[in-house]
Amino acid sequence: GENVEQHPSTLSVQEGDSAVIKCTYSDSASNYFPWYKQELGKRPQLIIDIRSNVGEKKDQRIAVTLNKTAKHFSLHITETQPEDSAVYFCAASKTGGFKTIFGAGTRLFVKA
Amino acid sequence: DAGVIQSPRHEVTEMGQEVTLRCKPISGHNSLFWYRQTMMRGLELLIYFNNNVPIDDSGMPEDRFSAKMPNASFSTLKIQPSEPRDSAVYFCASSSNLAGGTNNEQFFGPGTRLTVL
Repeated sequence: GENVEQHPSTLSVQEGDSAVIKCTYSDSASNYFPWYKQELGKRPQLIIDIRSNVGEKKDQRIAVTLNKTAKHFSLHITETQPEDSAVYFCAASKTGGFKTIFGAGTRLFVKA
Repeated sequence: DAGVIQSPRHEVTEMGQEVTLRCKPISGHNSLFWYRQTMMRGLELLIYFNNNVPIDDSGMPEDRFSAKMPNASFSTLKIQPSEPRDSAVYFCASSSNLAGGTNNEQFFGPGTRLTVL
């Protein structure tokens, strides 16, 4: 079945620096790749997503890139702020099945 | 819209007791998911429904777990009998997906924190 691996498990950056989280997936039929942010004690919430017909998508300080050949996608956060501190999950799913497989999560710490 | 609603928000019970978690998806959404989150195992998909029909329950850990969706606006996850290792946060999520179409964002409920003593 589909497997999603996420790295690193923990990431600590200085405020203002960039943060990059990487994920790989196993099912080449996957075509939808959402990223969720989960603050402590809260629910996961979508921050950005990308579909397989797009190589890159940007929303203000957040961007996601997708390399279908290599089966990996990445989340880039620029000019990090303390409120970016949270756990970030990547995920993958495909047409015809609504099952979404989540990565193990990356705990991001942004130091002021 | 109030979003996905879950109840109770917290549940503390003793080993062997029956536990029922409830979820009301966002109106108009046709897919519903139950997840379990622990520090050790992360976010695990337990079961999901499409148009009230269970599609994949391969994530349900044991026969002690069961889930139902009697109508489009209500679902339950039941654990009977409960065990201490079932302690976790259980999330319900819903989304709007068209058959044969690409998937869309899942909206999560606030979760139910279950503690089994």
